[in-house]
Amino acid sequence: AQSVAQPEDQVNVAEGNPLTVKCTYSVSGNPYLFWYVQYPNRGLQFLLKYITGDNLVKGSYGFEAEFNKSQTSFHLKKPSALVSDSALYFCAVSGYTNAGKSTFGDGTTLTVKP
Amino acid sequence: NAGVTQTPKFQVLKTGQSMTLQCAQDMNHEYMSWYRQDPGMGLRLIHYSVGAGITDQGEVPNGYNVSRSTTEDFPLRLLSAAPSQTSVYFCASSPPGGRGTEAFFGQGTRLTVV
Repeated sequence: AQSVAQPEDQVNVAEGNPLTVKCTYSVSGNPYLFWYVQYPNRGLQFLLKYITGDNLVKGSYGFEAEFNKSQTSFHLKKPSALVSDSALYFCAVSGYTNAGKSTFGDGTTLTVKP
Repeated sequence: NAGVTQTPKFQVLKTGQSMTLQCAQDMNHEYMSWYRQDPGMGLRLIHYSVGAGITDQGEVPNGYNVSRSTTEDFPLRLLSAAPSQTSVYFCASSPPGGRGTEAFFGQGTRLTVV
């Protein structure tokens, strides 16, 4: 069975500082990994994904994520946080035939303080 | 382009009532799915469909039915509502291309069962 762990319920950073939201995964075979963001009272929005190739993936709004196969991790990063980045972030893994059956982590609430 | 549209946005049901949550997408996506989101539990897959006429169960299917008569629509039926079904429900769709494709989410339906 596939699974995703987001070890931190909450991450707090100051505006302008770098941020990291952690994600580890377990899946049979090669992982397909995703990050989504959810703003209050909204649906999830896709940020970025890792399929294959370069371990550093760049996505929307200046976010990037680093895939580490040996540590089975896919941490989300941003060099300089903005207050508007405050939201709920989900990591997901797809180990089946399509993204419609992805397994999501429990989510990490990111708060960026001015 | 409307994307994924869910109706209603809010609903209050009495225990034992039935209802249908509507989901429609205009992107001609083959894959559609329903998730429920509960605090601290991330998103859990209820049912999914890989195309018209084909549906399958996800992680938490009990108490819910789905059908997929067209590519565009994927309604979720609650047969006899229970307080444990109080949740936020998200419909998602994704294009063909296997498990490397990201999901597009609707805005969600907030359901309260009293």
